[in-house]
Amino acid sequence: NAGVTQTPKFRVLKTGQSMTLLCAQDMNHEYMYWYRQDPGMGLRLIHYSVGEGTTAKGEVPDGYNVSRLKKQNFLLGLESAAPSQTSVYFCASSYGPLTLVEKTQYFGPGTRLLVL
Amino acid sequence: SQQGEEDPQALSIQEGENATMNCSYKTSINNLQWYRQNSGRGLVHLILIRSNEREKHSGRLRVTLDTSKKSSSLLITASRAADTASYFCATERGGATNKLIFGTGTLLAVQP
Repeated sequence: NAGVTQTPKFRVLKTGQSMTLLCAQDMNHEYMYWYRQDPGMGLRLIHYSVGEGTTAKGEVPDGYNVSRLKKQNFLLGLESAAPSQTSVYFCASSYGPLTLVEKTQYFGPGTRLLVL
Repeated sequence: SQQGEEDPQALSIQEGENATMNCSYKTSINNLQWYRQNSGRGLVHLILIRSNEREKHSGRLRVTLDTSKKSSSLLITASRAADTASYFCATERGGATNKLIFGTGTLLAVQP
């Protein structure tokens, strides 16, 4: 099993450009999450999904959109990139709320995004 | 806003010594988890402690939770150079979403 994978690993954008980050998981997890990590800030939740076809806002959703058309994929879109969106983006997934074991989140390796 | 803050921000120890990291949080929680992040990599889950538990062990890891003080500590015993990483606490406040709020992390450097 590959676990959680993210594409691309690194990207440079100019202000105003758009892009989509792809997250894929092969663990049949219901829940998926997008975080951003900035120096000294820990991880902050951007958007999340509790199942195929559902999405919800996290702590810092402005400037981002997401889609979960297939259970295994969670896409994060930047419609008009800004320098403030320079960050490392992590995707994570989990089974769901049924048991404590299933509350563990599994993380991808991250995407480094630089917006000039 | 961040739910948790960790202390210290950075810690440097020698191999074989114990490392203790602390986490404080602001609101009531369902459970608290600790994750490790090696440089340039994703986070890896280490241990979960429920709100009604006070202490939990896993190998060389010992986690305590004091809900009255809204704080937790992670102890790594007999540290190794491979333990060098950032350590984050994360709290779950409940509901059916498993949403986690992460602390700011402690950077641990274990000198060989």
